[in-house]
Amino acid sequence: QKEVEQNSGPLSVPEGAIASLNCTYSDRGSQSFFWYRQYSGKSPELIMSIYSNGDKEDGRFTAQLNKASQYVSLLIRDSQPSDSATYLCAAYFNKFYFGSGTKLNVKP
Amino acid sequence: KAGVTQTPRYLIKTRGQQVTLSCSPISGHRSVSWYQQTPGQGLQFLFEYFSETQRNKGNFPGRFSGRQFSNSRSEMNVSTLELGDSALYLCASSLWIGGGSSNYGYTFGSGTRLTVV
Repeated sequence: QKEVEQNSGPLSVPEGAIASLNCTYSDRGSQSFFWYRQYSGKSPELIMSIYSNGDKEDGRFTAQLNKASQYVSLLIRDSQPSDSATYLCAAYFNKFYFGSGTKLNVKP
Repeated sequence: KAGVTQTPRYLIKTRGQQVTLSCSPISGHRSVSWYQQTPGQGLQFLFEYFSETQRNKGNFPGRFSGRQFSNSRSEMNVSTLELGDSALYLCASSLWIGGGSSNYGYTFGSGTRLTVV
């Protein structure tokens, strides 16, 4: 079983819609969770981190964590074509565990 | 504030050769990790160094090695290159605060794209 699992997508949403990206993790000891965005041909960029149960908002991005369900999600409001990228979920326990990423396509 | 610097950006090598990649972390970051990324394989963890000591190691053959210097700069070496080693190699640094469960997250460098012919 993979430590961090994501649907590979692609997830297609129209411009202006809410994109919802999901991730599950297996290690109950994980306390730190991260979302990275990776554009094609570029390196991953940290966009959100979350450590406590609940929601954390930063601009158009909201990260949600539910430790009981071992579930992390990322909501992108008012999606823009520039949000089209692969989104990587990561959990940390002694080392980083990355999911394989979800490809998001935002259609104009 | 300078980011994570990786050199070189691009490299073409022949099978059987060896290669050394370099990474300078963000100032103050003492944890440096290396990843291999190929299309369809995602990020594959190679190793992590902290204060010149290897903390974690991924499932790669012994041809892949690394080290960290006292100034936190890190190098990784791949010997006897194979065609399958062609990939984007990413270095990431982190302000690791100790303990098993907490971290502030990685900052990745731009990567070194290695092509083995």
